[in-house]
Amino acid sequence: SQQGEEDPQALSIQEGENATMNCSYKTSINNLQWYRQNSGRGLVHLILIRSNEREKHSGRLRVTLDTSKKSSSLLITASRAADTASYFCGAGSARQLTFGSGTQLTVLP
Amino acid sequence: KAGVTQTPRYLIKTRGQQVTLSCSPISGHRSVSWYQQTPGQGLQFLFEYFSETQRNKGNFPGRFSGRQFSNSRSEMNVSTLELGDSALYLCASSSATSNEQFFGPGTRLTVL
Repeated sequence: SQQGEEDPQALSIQEGENATMNCSYKTSINNLQWYRQNSGRGLVHLILIRSNEREKHSGRLRVTLDTSKKSSSLLITASRAADTASYFCGAGSARQLTFGSGTQLTVLP
Repeated sequence: KAGVTQTPRYLIKTRGQQVTLSCSPISGHRSVSWYQQTPGQGLQFLFEYFSETQRNKGNFPGRFSGRQFSNSRSEMNVSTLELGDSALYLCASSSATSNEQFFGPGTRLTVL
């Protein structure tokens, strides 16, 4: 069964707007990682947040983690057409990640 | 630093055959994990190797196996292929000191 579940399943926004995706997981983790995937290619690592962290930033990305609610969110600010992709969260311990079904983000020019 | 590489990128096999996929991790990374991605089941963990030892295993039948060599390169093997084994197979590597997993481009396996 999948541990991480992303919400929404699909999101369509205009270029320049912000995009927020959420992820929930079921069991205890020591880290959560967000990835981007374009058209069935490999996953591109975006950011890792540890279980003892609440928020992390990287460029236009902001990730939050709420371990009490077993949830995380990914915010992409000032979106670009090139951000169009599927986004996955992988909830993990050691080097085993459990993924949800992903959020398909479409950024319209 | 070169990324994770996987060969071959595409593979077509028929039912009953076996297949071997290869993964070369980022230089210096000793952990290699394998995942299967299908439209129906999503991304699922297969197994993880570190220093030639399998440390974790997902819920897959024994037809799926793997190994890791002393140079950290890894192979996974699927025997007696079934139509449902058609998938994108991804490997990821990570260093001994970090949990960040970096993925390769994947091998697209089609079973006819």
